[in-house]
Amino acid sequence: GAGVSQTPSNKVTEKGKYVELRCDPISGHTALYWYRQSLGQGPEFLIYFQGTGAADDSGLPNDRFFAVRPEGSVSTLKIQRTERGDSAVYLCASSRGQGAYGELFFGEGSRLTVL
Amino acid sequence: DQQVKQNSPSLSVQEGRISILNCDYTNSMFDYFLWYKKYPAEGPTFLISISSIKDKNEDGRFTVFLNKSAKHLSLHIVPSQPGDSAVYFCAASAVHNTDKLIFGTGTRLQVFP
Repeated sequence: GAGVSQTPSNKVTEKGKYVELRCDPISGHTALYWYRQSLGQGPEFLIYFQGTGAADDSGLPNDRFFAVRPEGSVSTLKIQRTERGDSAVYLCASSRGQGAYGELFFGEGSRLTVL
Repeated sequence: DQQVKQNSPSLSVQEGRISILNCDYTNSMFDYFLWYKKYPAEGPTFLISISSIKDKNEDGRFTVFLNKSAKHLSLHIVPSQPGDSAVYFCAASAVHNTDKLIFGTGTRLQVFP
């Protein structure tokens, strides 16, 4: 498809388990972002990739969260030892990179529920 | 500390009338502002933006106004249509970090016939 694709769309897991969320950006977009949206809140910045490298990971809440983008395209957000407070919709977005001026293209999100 | 605030969680407007959504920010380093629109079960979509060197930007039925001295911006939709019913998020970025958007909590707009 032409848009940002995220899988899975829904993930239910138990506290303490490991979770991976995948994002496939728009072809040709060099920049990729992860945001987290909790109920009643706006999207909260987690990490931003320019190419393969994490240009800004200041939003990752703690060391249980990690993201990679090894080939500069698909990205995986990894959450270790999940906690109930991690329950949220995880949004991925991509853009043309420099000059995009904040015009991000978001996927539909991966809803994570930690029981 | 919420740097971008949308104090009205919801707004209801009759079709054909003007919708005005408000946003306040606290960080004086912000110099680029955007509005995103979100339908249920979809990701946010970019709507309109404004640079701090302007005080108004218009795109069809949508106009964004920026008042830098008051650290306030607003989105005007006129005329409002039922398809405009969605959650609207205000977002801001700083000149040194244009790729990191800070979002507000959103305003749910309902346009009724």
